Amino acid sequence: SQQGEEDPQALSIQEGENATMNCSYKTSINNLQWYRQNSGRGLVHLILIRSNEREKHSGRLRVTLDTSKKSSSLLITASRAADTASYFCASSYVWGAGTKLIIKP
Amino acid sequence: GAVVSQHPSRVICKSGTSVKIECRSLDFQATTMFWYRQFPKQSLMLMATSNEGSKATYEQGVEKDKFLINHASLTLSTLTVTSAHPEDSSFYICSAAPDNEQFFGPGTRLTVL
Repeated sequence: SQQGEEDPQALSIQEGENATMNCSYKTSINNLQWYRQNSGRGLVHLILIRSNEREKHSGRLRVTLDTSKKSSSLLITASRAADTASYFCASSYVWGAGTKLIIKP
Repeated sequence: GAVVSQHPSRVICKSGTSVKIECRSLDFQATTMFWYRQFPKQSLMLMATSNEGSKATYEQGVEKDKFLINHASLTLSTLTVTSAHPEDSSFYICSAAPDNEQFFGPGTRLTVL
């Protein structure tokens, strides 16, 4: 069974707005990773956050991790049309169902 | 970052034939590689862990005789879909994880007619 579950399953926002996606998991983790996937294409690694970290930034991306709640969030600030993609969280090679993000120009 | 390549990127075959997909680590050695499949609009599902010089470890529900994995060198793992059927049509992705960060190949789209 899948360990990570993304929320929401789909998100549609206007360009320039912030997008927040959440991920919950079931068992203990060493680290959690976020990926993006453009339609029908390969995966791009975004950020890896370790279990002893609470927050991590990379450009317009911010990832938080709450191990007590077994949850993580991915925030994309000042969204762009090019951010349209599916976003997945994963840990220990088990993946969530993904959030499909659509940025409207 | 580490680079993983896959070949072919797209393959169409007839039902009953076998298809081999290659996964290569280009700038690092990978004693372990991972094979995933992804159905349309769904997430990735780990199929098996490929171990250099030894047998692959298959996830529950994955037929090892159907999906043959060979990891003959530190830079190459192959997945052979034997006697392919239309239900095997999917997107197959490999990855390697040096230093616990996964790097993915671009994927192979298999269509079985």
